[in-house]
Amino acid sequence: DGGITQSPKYLFRKEGQNVTLSCEQNLNHDAMYWYRQDPGQGLRLIYYSQIVNDFQKGDIAEGYSVSREKKESFPLTVTSAQKNPTAFYLCASSFSTGGYTFGSGTRLTVV
Amino acid sequence: AQKVTQAQTEISVVEKEDVTLDCVYETRDTTYYLFWYKQPPSGELVFLIRRNSFDEQNEISGRYSWNFQKSTSSFNFTITASQVVDSAVYFCALIRNNAGNMLTFGGGTRLMVKP
Repeated sequence: DGGITQSPKYLFRKEGQNVTLSCEQNLNHDAMYWYRQDPGQGLRLIYYSQIVNDFQKGDIAEGYSVSREKKESFPLTVTSAQKNPTAFYLCASSFSTGGYTFGSGTRLTVV
Repeated sequence: AQKVTQAQTEISVVEKEDVTLDCVYETRDTTYYLFWYKQPPSGELVFLIRRNSFDEQNEISGRYSWNFQKSTSSFNFTITASQVVDSAVYFCALIRNNAGNMLTFGGGTRLMVKP
């Protein structure tokens, strides 16, 4: 079945560590996105990529980095520069003008 | 700039009641798309509906209905005869056509349906 796979489902990070969240899609979608959701709040865009080897900052890109070496994959690295990384992270993909498909999310907690 | 406002942060109803979730949006685009998503406790986003700015017809899907009014920039969502399984957070969202295909989300409305 086509879809988006995010892993891991739960992730714990120590202060000062970088961690990478995985996002893979087999929908042949051109565009991929990363959103952050804080408790009781909506989703905010971190980064997006409309084609391979190209990506753009969203509204809250500071402290995050991404890569898009393959069409199917859009990993997100949460760096030590992100001061408040505890949140729920959602990956999504779409055709250039089409609707979104979302992954099931990764819940990141700093310990 | 685009903005989506869901003024109701939390709504509580008793099963079988009807409930309307409000959504007001701002955009300078003449062509745009509006969405509703459901987020159950498990966290994934479930697509409910997409509406383009040229189609103001109301839509009904089972117990769900949507009222799109460009004159008031609103896209409200009504659940008829609510059920406990409808308990979730509901998000209204807007596609930002002038900057790629990015969704701008409202803050969400948490709906609690009590038996």
